[in-house]
Amino acid sequence: GAGVSQSPSNKVTEKGKDVELRCDPISGHTALYWYRQSLGQGLEFLIYFQGNSAPDKSGLPSDRFSAERTGGSVSTLTIQRTQQEDSAVYLCASSQRGGRHTEAFFGQGTRLTVV
Amino acid sequence: EDKVVQSPLSLVVHEGDTVTLNCSYEVTNFRSLLWYKQEKKAPTFLFMLTSSGIEKKSGRLSSILDKKELFSILNITATQTGDSAVYLCAVDSGGGADGLTFGKGTHLIIQP
Repeated sequence: GAGVSQSPSNKVTEKGKDVELRCDPISGHTALYWYRQSLGQGLEFLIYFQGNSAPDKSGLPSDRFSAERTGGSVSTLTIQRTQQEDSAVYLCASSQRGGRHTEAFFGQGTRLTVV
Repeated sequence: EDKVVQSPLSLVVHEGDTVTLNCSYEVTNFRSLLWYKQEKKAPTFLFMLTSSGIEKKSGRLSSILDKKELFSILNITATQTGDSAVYLCAVDSGGGADGLTFGKGTHLIIQP
């Protein structure tokens, strides 16, 4: 696609429910990153994919968070049993190769609100 | 733990003013420092700095890195209302992680 596409753009969910966030990277980009931005905070790194594998999951805040990527393209970030502190904007970025942050393009993000 | 601190957290100036945004860092394995502009949700890349003392320039924006004192500044001259945004500083510290460590950002507001 022309840019990184994320869906939904906004999601309101009840505490305890599971949510799934989707990221469709730029075609041909092998590296994909997920970040979280809480109100008034900088971006917090969550996970990095190179192709379908995730060499670095160190940023996932708890075992309620998981992510996968299939076909080297679309990625989903799943949050189970959501808590209010999960409320944030979740941003996805992609780049042609891993570590090439100068070439990373960000999506518009998903604003998650847990009530 | 890697740390990036930006100052000020917010800044309001008038159109035409010059602003300087600050970013200091403490990381175990520095590879590069990056500046992003964030309007609404999606950050856009501005500069990547790897070497001390070499100014990067793009139009009215410029940035420089001091690896001895562990900081960088982002300058914007002749500011315009379109420069209003959150400016994010991030450090790529490698160390096995390919993600960036971001500061909290400076919220810049340019008043007409």
